[in-house]
Amino acid sequence: RKEVEQDPGPFNVPEGATVAFNCTYSNSASQSFFWYRQDCRKEPKLLMSVYSSGNEDGRFTAQLNRASQYISLLIRDSKLSDSATYLCVVIGSNYKLTFGKGTLLTVNP
Amino acid sequence: DAMVIQNPRYQVTQFGKPVTLSCSQTLNHNVMYWYQQKSSQAPKLLFHYYDKDFNNEADTPDNFQSRRPNTSFCFLDIRSPGLGDAAMYLCATSRDPQGPSYEQYFGPGTRLTVT
Repeated sequence: RKEVEQDPGPFNVPEGATVAFNCTYSNSASQSFFWYRQDCRKEPKLLMSVYSSGNEDGRFTAQLNRASQYISLLIRDSKLSDSATYLCVVIGSNYKLTFGKGTLLTVNP
Repeated sequence: DAMVIQNPRYQVTQFGKPVTLSCSQTLNHNVMYWYQQKSSQAPKLLFHYYDKDFNNEADTPDNFQSRRPNTSFCFLDIRSPGLGDAAMYLCATSRDPQGPSYEQYFGPGTRLTVT
């Protein structure tokens, strides 16, 4: 089983749609969780951290289920500018960042 | 203001010709990382420095070396680039390896082409 696995995508959605990404991780000792966004040919940028209680930032909601070793990202009211690759990132006890392969989202007008 | 700077942004080298990529940071972060990212793949950690302590990933080829002469700068040396080393190389920094200040800040990357 891969350390971090994401929906393979790609996702193509119309503007205004709600889209959800899922991510599972294999190491139960993982400590911290993030979603990064990467635009084409650009560097990854932190979108949001994922807290145990779940957290929301505007149109974005992140959730963590430690029992199931599962992380999700929900984007509401999709905008054209949300088109990017979304990377699930997990940090283990050795503080190593492990990235998922990413899920490509395209929001269409 | 750029916080993690990578030079050059694009590098072309010949097969087997040593190449050095550079990274500098204005954040005064303790930790600096080098990642390799190939097309449609996740960034893969090559190694990182925690202050002066070098930490190599077990599967990083010996062909890849790194130097950190001071807090601000970190270099990636590829001793004999092969065609398979063509990729985007990302430098990142973080204040600490653990805790709430763990966020990693990435530079814009250097895209390496091997001819």
